[in-house]
Amino acid sequence: NAGVMQNPRHLVRRRGQEARLRCSPMKGHSHVYWYRQLPEEGLKFMVYLQKENIIDESGMPKERFSAEFPKEGPSILRIQQVVRGDSAAYFCASSPAGGARLEQYFGPGTRLTVT
Amino acid sequence: AQTVTQSQPEMSVQEAETVTLSCTYDTSESNYYLFWYKQPPSRQMILVIRQEAYKQQNATENRFSVNFQKAAKSFSLKISDSQLGDTAMYFCAFMTAYSGAGSYQLTFGKGTKLSVIP
Repeated sequence: NAGVMQNPRHLVRRRGQEARLRCSPMKGHSHVYWYRQLPEEGLKFMVYLQKENIIDESGMPKERFSAEFPKEGPSILRIQQVVRGDSAAYFCASSPAGGARLEQYFGPGTRLTVT
Repeated sequence: AQTVTQSQPEMSVQEAETVTLSCTYDTSESNYYLFWYKQPPSRQMILVIRQEAYKQQNATENRFSVNFQKAAKSFSLKISDSQLGDTAMYFCAFMTAYSGAGSYQLTFGKGTKLSVIP
């Protein structure tokens, strides 16, 4: 019974490159959430997706960031033209459908370092 | 918007002793959920305990219990018989119980770093 999986666990990118972070939700979960954790901070909500739909992206920066959760395959958080300020840990959580939002299970996170 | 405040950036406790971590929050809603998450050095976020605001009884999970004071908007975590494996960052979090925009977001505090000393 695998948990939420994220890859890569560590990602190093140079300024201006693109970063792609992947999240595979728990089996049977159709809701995915992305959070960002800056150094010495708590997690901050970024985006909430269901299969093929973005439900709420109110926490996403307006530029360079995008997210998707296709019908098949993992959810992807994409950061274009990365800058040093994007260095952070990015966590994905998943929950089942039917309003069971109390049950957000977190993945181990991807630590992005921009050099 | 809701805010969550953890006023203790760092704490330490002797092994087998009891420690209490503080959390206060601000909301105009009457129905919501509160959580404590643990983040050990592995950085995996682990749910420790959850409290529904409409329940007067404080939640407990083995050595972990909360003191929920709704009027004071306070939600502290008590860890009894502290163990070395309890060393971690602890985050308090809030979620509204109402449907609609933002109703599935967890709002986190900045965390308290707990060190258990042998």
